[in-house]
Amino acid sequence: GQSLEQPSEVTAVEGAIVQINCTYQTSGFNGLFWYQQHAGEAPTFLSYNVLDGLEEKGRFSSFLSRSKGYSYLLLKELQMKDSASYLCAVRDSGNTPLVFGKGTRLSVIA
Amino acid sequence: EAQVTQNPRYLITVTGKKLTVTCSQNMNHEYMSWYRQDPGLGLRQIYYSMNVEVTDKGDVPEGYKVSRKEKRNFPLILESPSPNQTSLYFCASSSMISGVEQYFGPGTRLTVT
Repeated sequence: GQSLEQPSEVTAVEGAIVQINCTYQTSGFNGLFWYQQHAGEAPTFLSYNVLDGLEEKGRFSSFLSRSKGYSYLLLKELQMKDSASYLCAVRDSGNTPLVFGKGTRLSVIA
Repeated sequence: EAQVTQNPRYLITVTGKKLTVTCSQNMNHEYMSWYRQDPGLGLRQIYYSMNVEVTDKGDVPEGYKVSRKEKRNFPLILESPSPNQTSLYFCASSSMISGVEQYFGPGTRLTVT
């Protein structure tokens, strides 16, 4: 089976940088995804990693280490609107369904 | 506009009264799925479908049924709803190409009294 672990809550200051971690255990691996979800809304796709290393997309970056079963999402120049839950999800193999972590609630404070 | 639509968005019903939540996508995606989201438990998959007439159970299928008679539609059926099915439900779709993101519908908030 698969399991993912994320911290339940993180607080950071507006303008700062925050890192949200995700560790996973899967029998196979075919990609790790990050989603953002504002309260009561649908998750929206942020990033995808299948190879080790850092993927950068504007203020958001995502890192993957397959050997360690570890990923993080890095948010720079935090804005109040970044306050949301951040979900990591992993695909075990082929086109099997995504399995989601429970999410990390990020609070950005002034 | 590429989108996944769900109806209704909000529903309050009573125990035992059959209901259907519809899901439709306009992106010609092969893969569709249903999730429920509960506080502290995250997103849990109910059922998924790899293509027309192909469906499979997810992690929490008990009390739910689905059908996939057309590629664009994937309704979720609760034959006899119970209060423990009160939740926020999301439909999602994606292409079968690995690495392609899943698109989520806006969600259906269901309350069963």
